[in-house]
Amino acid sequence: DSGVTQTPKHLITATGQRVTLRCSPRSGDLSVYWYQQSLDQGLQFLIQYYNGEERAKGNILERFSAQQFPDLHSELNLSSLELGDSALYFCASSVTRGSLNEKLFFGSGTQLSVL
Amino acid sequence: GENVEQHPSTLSVQEGDSAVIKCTYSDSASNYFPWYKQELGKRPQLIIDIRSNVGEKKDQRIAVTLNKTAKHFSLHITETQPEDSAVYFCAVPANSGYSTLTFGKGTMLLVSP
Repeated sequence: DSGVTQTPKHLITATGQRVTLRCSPRSGDLSVYWYQQSLDQGLQFLIQYYNGEERAKGNILERFSAQQFPDLHSELNLSSLELGDSALYFCASSVTRGSLNEKLFFGSGTQLSVL
Repeated sequence: GENVEQHPSTLSVQEGDSAVIKCTYSDSASNYFPWYKQELGKRPQLIIDIRSNVGEKKDQRIAVTLNKTAKHFSLHITETQPEDSAVYFCAVPANSGYSTLTFGKGTMLLVSP
């Protein structure tokens, strides 16, 4: 167990809908990262938050948004869902105490299926 | 942004053989090179990493080598076992910094008994 908690584990929804994925980082970790994993694209970085603020952005669609709350948990919101958004969404956390190169601890992921 | 290419995409070996996976990157300023292992249905987990001030690092049966001049680094697994079967990802720091990683597309390693 990495200490990173993601809910729900599975999510099935229809095109055009909106869903929210939730992540609780390891105790003491200030950074949260969201990654999308699909069969043909590997692990794609979406966005990073550090202590409540957006720190880095990757290939995140405008239909997607995220935030990190004062208790450091994070939510990834996916709207106007399309079939191609079906993927495994991972959250990861790290301490981020000044070092730029840190071990990421991944959650178990949320499998999203858009039908 | 930083590009990282990983080869091969699949690798099949017999138990006891060695396996080598190679990644090339584009940003000569990259200074951190981790490898993550993802077993089927599980989360990615860091198995070994190397920083640019060393050329090789070993941890039991796994090792990582770095060639900064050629901008590539490799994962070496010796005496492979069936439990080594997994997808292996290399990664490099993204240009945005702050511990964000850009991952390779992964190598599926299958170790046959």
